[in-house]
Amino acid sequence: AQKITQTQPGMFVQEKEAVTLDCTYDTSDPSYGLFWYKQPSSGEMIFLIYQGSYDQQNATEGRYSLNFQKARKSANLVISASQLGDSAMYFCAMREPPTQGGSEKLVFGKGMKLTVNP
Amino acid sequence: NAGVTQTPKFRVLKTGQSMTLLCAQDMNHEYMYWYRQDPGMGLRLIHYSVGEGTTAKGEVPDGYNVSRLKKQNFLLGLESAAPSQTSVYFCASSYTGRSGYTFGSGTRLTVV
Repeated sequence: AQKITQTQPGMFVQEKEAVTLDCTYDTSDPSYGLFWYKQPSSGEMIFLIYQGSYDQQNATEGRYSLNFQKARKSANLVISASQLGDSAMYFCAMREPPTQGGSEKLVFGKGMKLTVNP
Repeated sequence: NAGVTQTPKFRVLKTGQSMTLLCAQDMNHEYMYWYRQDPGMGLRLIHYSVGEGTTAKGEVPDGYNVSRLKKQNFLLGLESAAPSQTSVYFCASSYTGRSGYTFGSGTRLTVV
């Protein structure tokens, strides 16, 4: 079963506008973490922002903020004042709790492509 | 520079050949992971390790083996490469599994 769902395969936004990238997740464990990564065309995975399930406030990192709605199981990434350099693939990921005999690990969504137009 | 280093960065294999991908980290992280990335699939976990001498299977382990003989190194082996293993492979490490994950720059593998 899909644990991380990113329904938008691609989005376009005008430079300097804000954009929201959707992510929903599925877990029954009360302790989990949610991550957003950026992958530019050069291929590296760049960590953007993290939200813990017990965090009282939504996470923010510069132009990035995470709209965390726990009851709806959504963790949308908001990018304010888009820049041309924001054009990239974006991945939502969840730190999955350990299974029997296992360990915590990251589970990724399929990603979505953001294109920022000048 | 501290981080995760993957070698090689690119490789072309013929079907049936074997190879080993090396991941090295200098952050004293306990947890290390191997993922593969395919178009439209996101990153999928192949194998992981929670410490020196330990390994475990992830979501897509078939056709791969791993070893963690030293804490700083995590090796991914393909004994008999198949075209279905054409992918971009990422290594990642984490101090505890609950903390941030640092990714290597990836290895692009093509099996012909």
